[in-house]
Amino acid sequence: DQQVKQNSPSLSVQEGRISILNCDYTNSMFDYFLWYKKYPAEGPTFLISISSIKDKNEDGRFTVFLNKSAKHLSLHIVPSQPGDSAVYFCAASDTYNTNAGKSTFGDGTTLTVKP
Amino acid sequence: DTGVSQDPRHKITKRGQNVTFRCDPISEHNRLYWYRQTLGQGPEFLTYFQNEAQLEKSRLLSDRFSAERPKGSFSTLEIQRTEQGDSAMYLCASSFTAYEQYFGPGTRLTVT
Repeated sequence: DQQVKQNSPSLSVQEGRISILNCDYTNSMFDYFLWYKKYPAEGPTFLISISSIKDKNEDGRFTVFLNKSAKHLSLHIVPSQPGDSAVYFCAASDTYNTNAGKSTFGDGTTLTVKP
Repeated sequence: DTGVSQDPRHKITKRGQNVTFRCDPISEHNRLYWYRQTLGQGPEFLTYFQNEAQLEKSRLLSDRFSAERPKGSFSTLEIQRTEQGDSAMYLCASSFTAYEQYFGPGTRLTVT
């Protein structure tokens, strides 16, 4: 059973427009959520995160929204730039269990930003 | 460059051979993770160390897999009697807190 799902394998947007990437989770114990970006031949790079006590976190062009009741989070990129083209992974952690530092990842969404 | 490093970057081996991968985490990070990623999927957790203690292992980590982190510094992941299903990207990550992790570039294993 996949606990973190990214239902859109790919997304294409025009430069300057908004990119919205979505993620759903099923495990109620998850209390910390992260987005990672991955370029080819590189490991994932941390982008932005949000704790379950918040519903929004913003960092420059990137904003993550969390809807706990719907077990849904989204990443907004405004404005989108061609350099944002990458695979984006949603990840979730149960940080209450201090020994379980692992993250559970979705399968990723490939974002293409067209000039 | 003070990021996470992994060695080798690529490994091709024949079925049945043993392989060992190394990960050097960011020096001040006490947490170290191993993940496995196959094409079209996200990273899957394999095991987690806090300092030298291996605190969690996934059910994915069969008895052919073993990981160590002597002295809480670098870590090794060994796969014995490799199988074609072991072909994947093996990612190492480190962190200081139970939050964002810093990933290395990965070791791509191909078992022929």
